[in-house]
Amino acid sequence: GAGVSQTPSNKVTEKGKYVELRCDPISGHTALYWYRQSLGQGPEFLIYFQGTGAADDSGLPNDRFFAVRPEGSVSTLKIQRTERGDSAVYLCASSLRGMLSYNEQFFGPGTRLTVL
Amino acid sequence: KNEVEQSPQNLTAQEGEFITINCSYSVGISALHWLQQHPGGGIVSLFMLSSGKKKHGRLIATINIQEKHSSLHITASHPRDSAVYICAVETSGSRLTFGEGTQLTVNP
Repeated sequence: GAGVSQTPSNKVTEKGKYVELRCDPISGHTALYWYRQSLGQGPEFLIYFQGTGAADDSGLPNDRFFAVRPEGSVSTLKIQRTERGDSAVYLCASSLRGMLSYNEQFFGPGTRLTVL
Repeated sequence: KNEVEQSPQNLTAQEGEFITINCSYSVGISALHWLQQHPGGGIVSLFMLSSGKKKHGRLIATINIQEKHSSLHITASHPRDSAVYICAVETSGSRLTFGEGTQLTVNP
């Protein structure tokens, strides 16, 4: 079956521009996670959706970052007024049930964002 | 101090050697994950455990909840095992907090 997919795979933008990153989770997975990974670092948590709602958005670094999941499947991470420090690989993961612990997360290939 | 600490940061081994990567954490967890990341970014889940020991092929993961410590072992290492190995702990709401990873290189 299809895994988690993310588009685009690479995105190059200019400082100050707006970008949208898309994640298609595994069908039937109710939990969806966004992480950000800078070069040489481990991923860091951004936001977690359970269904359509953001259950935990405490990892979003500031109000330029926003994410939605309007129908409980596809999610879009939106970044306004991009800065060079936003350059990173943005990873999406999904799991079958997020409210219970002990859930394996399946990761997408990531979107590499470069802000010039 | 990071909530999840891995050691070593970098590890080079010869094919066939037994490898150990360590992970210590400082928070209460519901589970601990070991993940593998190959060049290009794809992350694959290797193990998820909350107690004891798990084995899959040449990989073994152990966890000691009282000591807040886990180890990942690779027996009979092979060049295809070369990757970044990441320890992550699962806390509230199933969010993961990651270590910085261990870059493993296995030479033929």
